Amino acid sequence: AQSVAQPEDQVNVAEGNPLTVKCTYSVSGNPYLFWYVQYPNRGLQFLLKYITGDNLVKGSYGFEAEFNKSQTSFHLKKPSALVSDSALYFCAVRDTSGTYKYIFGTGTRLKVLA
Amino acid sequence: DTGVSQNPRHKITKRGQNVTFRCDPISEHNRLYWYRQTLGQGPEFLTYFQNEAQLEKSRLLSDRFSAERPKGSFSTLEIQRTEQGDSAMYLCASSPDRGTEAFFGQGTRLTVV
Repeated sequence: AQSVAQPEDQVNVAEGNPLTVKCTYSVSGNPYLFWYVQYPNRGLQFLLKYITGDNLVKGSYGFEAEFNKSQTSFHLKKPSALVSDSALYFCAVRDTSGTYKYIFGTGTRLKVLA
Repeated sequence: DTGVSQNPRHKITKRGQNVTFRCDPISEHNRLYWYRQTLGQGPEFLTYFQNEAQLEKSRLLSDRFSAERPKGSFSTLEIQRTEQGDSAMYLCASSPDRGTEAFFGQGTRLTVV
């Protein structure tokens, strides 16, 4: 069964410092991986995706993610955190067996401290 | 606004009542998904439509839940005889036929009292 794991419930980082939010995955076949962000009482907002190609993918708001096949990881990164980046972040994998559903991790709350 | 639209945004209902939520996907998106999210958890898959065909239902979806997508456009999710455990955010998402990422609506927050 396909799954994603987000090992950290919360990540705290000082404004201006680099941030990393971790995600590992388990899939059969080639993974389609995604990061979404959720602000309070809002839906999920797409940040970036990895389908194929370069292992470093760039997305919205200065975020990027590094795909590592040997470590089955897809960590979200940003060189310099902003207070406004504080939100709930979800990693997801898309089922490749034909149903196309998205399987989400449990989420990581990012808190950027001024 | 050309995003995914969900109505209502909030719904408070008494236990035992029926509720229905509506989702209008992005125009021409063939795939439509319903998810449920409880506080502090990631979204859980409920069901998926390809056009008007419901292709998958989660085992989480009890017989009290039913979803439709007539004519492959908007979708409705109905919960019959609501229970307190149904209290959650219900999220709808859509994606184009050849797309990869899904686009989510703002969700409908259901509170069963």
